[in-house]
Amino acid sequence: DVKVTQSSRYLVKRTGEKVFLECVQDMDHENMFWYRQDPGLGLRLIYFSYDVKMKEKGDIPEGYSVSREKKERFSLILESASTNQTSMYLCASTGGGLDTQYFGPGTRLTVL
Amino acid sequence: SQKIEQNSEALNIQEGKTATLTCNYTNYSPAYLQWYRQDPGRGPVFLLLIRENEKEKRKERLKVTFDTTLKQSLFHITASQPADSATYLCALGGRDDKIIFGKGTRLHILP
Repeated sequence: DVKVTQSSRYLVKRTGEKVFLECVQDMDHENMFWYRQDPGLGLRLIYFSYDVKMKEKGDIPEGYSVSREKKERFSLILESASTNQTSMYLCASTGGGLDTQYFGPGTRLTVL
Repeated sequence: SQKIEQNSEALNIQEGKTATLTCNYTNYSPAYLQWYRQDPGRGPVFLLLIRENEKEKRKERLKVTFDTTLKQSLFHITASQPADSATYLCALGGRDDKIIFGKGTRLHILP
């Protein structure tokens, strides 16, 4: 059974802290994605990666960075967390082409 | 800019009836369209994919239609059950491996 896991289901951080969200997939997928989901705004793409050490900006990359050192792992980094980054963060992966996105369970991040 | 529209209001359907959800899009020519189900506090789960050259796709009680002239997809759940209550997202895929998601429609199946 395919699986995408995220490091935490719930996370509470303080403004200004550096935050790491980790995502691991066991499907040998090339493509990995980070989204945030907010009420009324839907899923918005932050960053994605087509291969190890490659990254592309999505629609809302400001305030975020990513790291992909290994094919199965894609990390989202909030360099200095702010309250407007309180959100549900979802990681997904695909094998490419006409393929479904497999999502992780999500991390609900609260920045105080 | 590209835009996807789904019913923003929640949809209430009596158990046993057919639920129909709508996805409209503009300024886009997708290679395919997908539907996902999302339960509260969970990640979306893939349900169906339909390609641009397909008119209809079925899977058990689910049916999806895709009209590229109208730029619309309809998602039907027949013989609906309370367990079908969830938010349903449509997503458009291009030829660049990126997918654009709609905001979703909340469906409530009333017993």
